[in-house]
Amino acid sequence: GQNIDQPTEMTATEGAIVQINCTYQTSGFNGLFWYQQHAGEAPTFLSYNVLDGLEEKGRFSSFLSRSKGYSYLLLKELQMKDSASYLCAAMDSNYQLIWGAGTKLIIKP
Amino acid sequence: DSGVTQTPKHLITATGQRVTLRCSPRSGDLSVYWYQQSLDQGLQFLIQYYNGEERAKGNILERFSAQQFPDLHSELNLSSLELGDSALYFCASSETGDLRKPETQYFGPGTRLLVL
Repeated sequence: GQNIDQPTEMTATEGAIVQINCTYQTSGFNGLFWYQQHAGEAPTFLSYNVLDGLEEKGRFSSFLSRSKGYSYLLLKELQMKDSASYLCAAMDSNYQLIWGAGTKLIIKP
Repeated sequence: DSGVTQTPKHLITATGQRVTLRCSPRSGDLSVYWYQQSLDQGLQFLIQYYNGEERAKGNILERFSAQQFPDLHSELNLSSLELGDSALYFCASSETGDLRKPETQYFGPGTRLLVL
């Protein structure tokens, strides 16, 4: 079957760095998306990776290893506003998104 | 602001009732997706429409149905409502929903449904 695994919750300190991992098993693979979702709000697009390697976008970076079925989202210089859920979603061979349950990130001062 | 609009923002109703949720996609987007998110749960994909036609179906109950109109707005109909249907319902849109290439989905603000 198709499956996405990511930690349920993580805690980090303001100003620090945190890495949120995601492993996936899908029928075929057409890329990996990361979304941010603040409580009660809409998910917003953060990044898309389809090739192996690291993509950097300001304080946020996303990494993909296709051979390992693994991705991570790296958040640097954490700010209180980064407290949110981070959703990992893999696109299968039919270009359908398979969503993880999300990682709730708690930032402490 | 993603450009996707949803109405109403909040809806309170009783068990057994029927409601309609409305979504307008971003200007130019042809594909609409509906998702359900229960409290502290992940996104559950319900259904996708592309240019008026059903494109893909997820875990959508038989009590739920959707359609996309010629002006590309979409409606999700929920009937015989149960307490467990209380959730956030999101609509998302993408450029084409082309099954041959990956596309980013842009989400609306959601409709919060409470069934009492």
